[in-house]
Amino acid sequence: AQSVTQPDIHITVSEGASLELRCNYSYGATPYLFWYVQSPGQGLQLLLKYFSGDTLVQGIKGFEAEFKRSQSSFNLRKPSVHWSDAAEYFCAVAFMEYGNKLVFGAGTILRVKS
Amino acid sequence: EPEVTQTPSHQVTQMGQEVILRCVPISNHLYFYWYRQILGQKVEFLVSFYNNEISEKSEIFDDQFSVERPDGSNFTLKIRSTKLEDSAMYFCASSPETYGYTFGSGTRLTVV
Repeated sequence: AQSVTQPDIHITVSEGASLELRCNYSYGATPYLFWYVQSPGQGLQLLLKYFSGDTLVQGIKGFEAEFKRSQSSFNLRKPSVHWSDAAEYFCAVAFMEYGNKLVFGAGTILRVKS
Repeated sequence: EPEVTQTPSHQVTQMGQEVILRCVPISNHLYFYWYRQILGQKVEFLVSFYNNEISEKSEIFDDQFSVERPDGSNFTLKIRSTKLEDSAMYFCASSPETYGYTFGSGTRLTVV
């Protein structure tokens, strides 16, 4: 079955430090890749997505992600974290061969310390 | 920016009661979805809907669940006889083509 793995349940970084959140997905020749952010009690906000083309994609709020097909990964990065970035981050993948539903990872909770 | 609107934001219901969760997708979108997130767990796909019929559903989406697009604007999820384990945040999403999802802010359903 299709699956998405976010190996880090919690990450704590200092404000101003760089951030990388990991995401790996199971087999799929044509993955469509997404990162969402969720603040407590709120909905899912799209940060960025990758369908094809340049494997480094830029998103909102200064986030970027890089698709590495050889590693089945789509890691999210930010060079300098702000306290307002504290939230839960979800990686999600749609596998074109398996319909158009999104498969979500378990999420990574980001804490930012001042 | 266009939004997907979900109502109510919170719903408390007695076990065994029917509940209807409502969503207004973005007006020119063609694909509609329901997902749910049990507290502390990952977001799970329930059902997708296109051209007035279910295009895909998960194992969670059993006979207790149904979806409907009763008019040109609303998209509803009905749970016929709620169970305690149906307590979750339910998200509606819509997209203009296959992979351009926009999510609503969710309805928190509590079954007591």
